[in-house]
Amino acid sequence: VQLVQSGSELKKPGASVTVSCRASGYTFTSHAMNWVRQAPGQGLEWMGWINTNTGYPTYAQGFTGRFVFSLDTSASTAYLQISGLKTEDTAVYYCARRYNFFDSWGQGTLVAVSS
Amino acid sequence: DIQMTQSPSSLSASVGDRVTITCRASQGIGNNLAWYQQKPGKVPKLLIYGAFTLQSGVPSRFSGSGSGTDFTLTISSLQPEDVAVYYCQKYSSAPLTFGGGTKVEIK
Repeated sequence: VQLVQSGSELKKPGASVTVSCRASGYTFTSHAMNWVRQAPGQGLEWMGWINTNTGYPTYAQGFTGRFVFSLDTSASTAYLQISGLKTEDTAVYYCARRYNFFDSWGQGTLVAVSS
Repeated sequence: DIQMTQSPSSLSASVGDRVTITCRASQGIGNNLAWYQQKPGKVPKLLIYGAFTLQSGVPSRFSGSGSGTDFTLTISSLQPEDVAVYYCQKYSSAPLTFGGGTKVEIK
């Protein structure tokens, strides 16, 4: 099982960014995909998850509106799009497999937001 | 929403010491608790799920216990490679909340 995320991003406030998470080594639609945020020097924060069978997303409180989870099941890839970036969105974003406990994680994508 | 509180927030212990980290849920969560280890600059790693089931490949010096609201992660004999931040996470229902983390250092 491997989750490979896209590379680091440097964006200006107000811009948008898309982080990808490509899965391999298992059937993509057999497990949900979660997104977890870790701000610099801070703990882990669950952002929500997407049902890889239906494409239905569930967002945690604080991650509604500007955050969008999506899929390309033909490419076994999950996406996180953040619009209207703010400096406080600077963080490492992880994808993580399974609904409930997370047994496989992507390597993380640093999104830095600075003017 | 159910809150997850870890204690202590940090600890320093000697190699070979027994280390205990506590995680408390604000409401009962059954056995729906996982523990993760995050070494400096690395990706979090699943250690334990179902409150006490060791993930494959995790050394047996790690163990978990508890149910309901009070849970414990124990390292029976602390090793230098165990320096990390440890997080609990509840998954009884959304939101899948993490505890604030416990930083473990070597004295």
